[in-house]
Amino acid sequence: GIQVEQSPPDLILQEGANSTLRCNFSDSVNNLQWFHQNPWGQLINLFYIPSGTKQNGRLSATTVATERYSLLYISSSQTTDSGVYFCAVNYGGSQGNLIFGKGTKLSVKP
Amino acid sequence: GAGVSQSPSNKVTEKGKDVELRCDPISGHTALYWYRQSLGQGLEFLIYFQGNSAPDKSGLPSDRFSAERTGGSVSTLTIQRTQQEDSAVYLCASSPTGAIYQPQHFGDGTRLSIL
Repeated sequence: GIQVEQSPPDLILQEGANSTLRCNFSDSVNNLQWFHQNPWGQLINLFYIPSGTKQNGRLSATTVATERYSLLYISSSQTTDSGVYFCAVNYGGSQGNLIFGKGTKLSVKP
Repeated sequence: GAGVSQSPSNKVTEKGKDVELRCDPISGHTALYWYRQSLGQGLEFLIYFQGNSAPDKSGLPSDRFSAERTGGSVSTLTIQRTQQEDSAVYLCASSPTGAIYQPQHFGDGTRLSIL
């Protein structure tokens, strides 16, 4: 099956800093989503981005499908950005369900 | 509400008991998914319903797990004879038509603890 690898596994930032999270996948994908899981466990949709670039406020994402990776950019980080960021993909072999990476745990310090 | 609703939010039960978890998808969404998030295993797919089609049960870990979806809307995940390794957060998601090109929206989950 497809492999979804996220890096770094852990990241500590000072408030106001910028960061880039990476998601590599081992096969062509039909769907790619970025999620933020907050400290209360809620899984929040950030981006649906199988290809191209999208921006939403301080967050943006780019997926280069031909090179099998996606990047999530966080600018001017805030303490409320803390949590775990997951990349999840759907590919030809998964019949609709998402395959998740192990996540990047982000801690933003005041 | 407008989002995916799950109940209960927390469930504590004794080993060997049966449990039922409920998911109410976003209104109008025909596709419904169950996932499980446990320590050491990450987020893993359990079962997928799309309209009136037979569900994709390929992710269910054992025959103690089953799920149904009545009337194409609400779904119930049942775990029989619970074991301690069943302790996890059970997440439900829905999407508009189940087409692979559509985003999935998640509920807040049910945190299941088996004593």
